[in-house]
Amino acid sequence: SAVISQKPSRDICQRGTSLTIQCQVDSQVTMMFWYRQQPGQSLTLIATANQGSEATYESGFVIDKFPISRPNLTFSTLTVSNMSPEDSSIYLCSVEDRFYGYTFGSGTRLTVV
Amino acid sequence: LAKTTQPISMDSYEGQEVNITCSHNNIATNDYITWYQQFPSQGPRFIIQGYKTKVTNEVASLFIPADRKSSTLSLPRVSLSDTAVYYCLVGGPNTGGFKTIFGAGTRLFVKA
Repeated sequence: SAVISQKPSRDICQRGTSLTIQCQVDSQVTMMFWYRQQPGQSLTLIATANQGSEATYESGFVIDKFPISRPNLTFSTLTVSNMSPEDSSIYLCSVEDRFYGYTFGSGTRLTVV
Repeated sequence: LAKTTQPISMDSYEGQEVNITCSHNNIATNDYITWYQQFPSQGPRFIIQGYKTKVTNEVASLFIPADRKSSTLSLPRVSLSDTAVYYCLVGGPNTGGFKTIFGAGTRLFVKA
């Protein structure tokens, strides 16, 4: 299955600042997905990122708050902008794997203080 | 997108077989059923995937009845390390625009 490297693994940030999370895949993939997992909760899809086009955001998520880049078929970034304590969550990237459904990165644990 | 319903939590003891059932009444014809396992501070990990009848791999079995409106993940002889959250997902693989929607999952707690 695809191997995903996600960083940073964790960060503590001041409110009002922004954090960019990177996701690197060891193979070329068409779609990459970004999820948020709040403490004790399930995963919520933020957006789908295709290379060469703008990301598609799910209801409740907007580009100004969560801008996404997808410069090539192996890399994507998610920025959490103008952070508040409510943004404290684990953020995960994922790719579709032909044989294993979806493969996930290990996540970025974000704490906003 | 088919919605899934699972028990919120289950308890078991080491060495027992655990069966977790997932309901997906509005599953589409081309949808597959996939189960994931998630440990704290890690991303979900693929366990097993199936379309109909029974699928078995080295870690689990997946039973899907003929109407495909439910599925059962079977974990044989669980150990303490199987304590995790298990998610049932329904959807079509490798289709343009397909996205994975997670339900609440089942928290399995294995006791000694």
